[in-house]
Amino acid sequence: DVVMTQSPLSLPVTLGQPASISCRSSQSLVYSDGNTYLSWFQQRPGQSPRRLIYKVSNRDSGVPDRFSGSGSGTDFTLKISRVEAEDVGVYYCMQFTHWPPYTFGQGTKLEIK
Amino acid sequence: EVQLVESGGGLVKPGESLRLSCAASGFTFSNDWMIWVRQAPGKGLEWVGRIKTETEGGTTDYAAPVKGRFTISRDDSKNTLYLQMNSLKTADTAVYYCTTAGTAWGQGTLVTVSS
Repeated sequence: DVVMTQSPLSLPVTLGQPASISCRSSQSLVYSDGNTYLSWFQQRPGQSPRRLIYKVSNRDSGVPDRFSGSGSGTDFTLKISRVEAEDVGVYYCMQFTHWPPYTFGQGTKLEIK
Repeated sequence: EVQLVESGGGLVKPGESLRLSCAASGFTFSNDWMIWVRQAPGKGLEWVGRIKTETEGGTTDYAAPVKGRFTISRDDSKNTLYLQMNSLKTADTAVYYCTTAGTAWGQGTLVTVSS
């Protein structure tokens, strides 16, 4: 199984400051079709997860442009350019390249300092 | 608007069974692979299983902890996804979500397995 490792697991951030979350996979996430099926999800307190980013760097509709995804192979990053109060929650990376199983990272809890 | 609504959760004893449903609307359900994900209290997200489209044979895959006990099925005529859970264990206690491979999620339904 592909192991997804996120860091940090806890991320205190001052409002208006940037934030960055790393996600590393135990093997390359490049699929045979050339795509890399790595997504990022946000889960606000008490809510269902919501996808922010798919295929490494594509933002979903309605996702603010302060969120961006980057990376390749086994190393991926979610960046928030300026953290807002509504960004509080837990962020997960997930790989859809090697299955079964699809695998999630452990989650990174973002909080406001 | 894409909508997924789970139902069927509840309190059951270890060894008992439960069937969850996920009613889909706002998209062509029959064209999509569907996934179940669960989240134990205070824990992270865990993939449970996936079903392909009927055109692709409706093939299913399951996570190791549930393989042989859980069965995913779909009824495209009713736009509904199912999760049949047998021989439930306390470790299966979680909120269960259905999702369209990540793009849309339901609100979740809580399954509690306790004696």
